[in-house]
Amino acid sequence: QQQVKQSPQSLIVQKGGISIINCAYENTAFDYFPWYQQFPGKGPALLIAIRPDVSEKKEGRFTISFNKSAKQFSLHIMDSQPGDSATYFCAASPTGGFKTIFGAGTRLFVKA
Amino acid sequence: GAGVSQSPRYKVAKRGQDVALRCDPISGHVSLFWYQQALGQGPEFLTYFQNEAQLDKSGLPSDRFFAERPEGSVSTLKIQRTQQEDSAVYLCASSLGATGSSYEQYFGPGTRLTVT
Repeated sequence: QQQVKQSPQSLIVQKGGISIINCAYENTAFDYFPWYQQFPGKGPALLIAIRPDVSEKKEGRFTISFNKSAKQFSLHIMDSQPGDSATYFCAASPTGGFKTIFGAGTRLFVKA
Repeated sequence: GAGVSQSPRYKVAKRGQDVALRCDPISGHVSLFWYQQALGQGPEFLTYFQNEAQLDKSGLPSDRFFAERPEGSVSTLKIQRTQQEDSAVYLCASSLGATGSSYEQYFGPGTRLTVT
């Protein structure tokens, strides 16, 4: 059962543009929503994370928007750069739990 | 400082062979996770350790998969009688705290297992 649905599967953005990746979840017990960035041959690395008590979190060029009622959250990358080209995963984990559920990933390519 | 390391980075096994994959977490990290990542997919949870205790192994696909962390630091994921469907990247992650969802997980580079 896919508990975290991520879209789009792939994304091409011009340098300087805004990249937007969306995720939806089903389990209302989830209370921690991280985004990971993965480069080829490397493990995922935490980019930014949010809890459902806030609707938005910004760190540099990266912003998470969170809609608890719709059970959706999204990642916005402002002023996208070629170095941002990577695969991005949204994830969710439950209160006091250990099992982090990952989305299927979005391959982002930023054209120079 | 040193991050999470995994060895070997690449492993080719003939179908039916047993393999052992090693994870060295960040020193002092209480929590350790194993994930399986199929090509083009997100990581899928396999198992979780808090120190030496295996608190969740619900993600292990079959009884051919076994994980241990006997002294609460290094962990080994063992796969017996490998099958072609076991081909994937196996990721290890560690985090500082005892509650898995509350702390950042630091991932290793993974071991790419190919079963021929």
